[in-house]
Amino acid sequence: QQQVKQSPQSLIVQKGGISIINCAYENTAFDYFPWYQQFPGKGPALLIAIRPDVSEKKEGRFTISFNKSAKQFSLHIMDSQPGDSATYFCAASMNSGYSTLTFGKGTMLLVSP
Amino acid sequence: DVKVTQSSRYLVKRTGEKVFLECVQDMDHENMFWYRQDPGLGLRLIYFSYDVKMKEKGDIPEGYSVSREKKERFSLILESASTNQTSMYLCASSLSPGTNSPLHFGNGTRLTVT
Repeated sequence: QQQVKQSPQSLIVQKGGISIINCAYENTAFDYFPWYQQFPGKGPALLIAIRPDVSEKKEGRFTISFNKSAKQFSLHIMDSQPGDSATYFCAASMNSGYSTLTFGKGTMLLVSP
Repeated sequence: DVKVTQSSRYLVKRTGEKVFLECVQDMDHENMFWYRQDPGLGLRLIYFSYDVKMKEKGDIPEGYSVSREKKERFSLILESASTNQTSMYLCASSLSPGTNSPLHFGNGTRLTVT
């Protein structure tokens, strides 16, 4: 399966700052790009998702930016809070009947008080 | 709320043992998945199932098998556990095929093989 490359592997941001996590993909057939958030001791949970017909999607302090020509998408967390400290996974899949998600390797975010 | 329950939070097994990891979902979801999570490697798909008695290999099926005899239950089987199978195992379910349906994960089983 095609890879999804995620960076950075870890990130430390001060409270109130902007956290930015980047992902790049190779398979141009991908057309669904979710982000999952995982707190310690818990399974990942869907945070926000985007399809390539829009360049940006915002939900509260979380924004996905999508660049189809560059095959890149990123998660921005505005006004980062200590409660945002978690591991974030980007993913991608094709919108076909039995397509499965390909996940990035994850970014461990720590928001310092 | 969807609940995906994994039977064990922690499990310690010896090399060569047959190991069963159990997962139950309570929302009548069609799809169920087993992932393995390792530091620096992210989430890797082992097996998935879109229907009862149906299974498909994921990216890393070697050394594993699965069973889905009932819609709500999906079991991961390590036929002969090895130390390189020490990992966090995550079960997930989703409502229907395709990407409109998000994955709902359990809280994981941390397996140690000694």
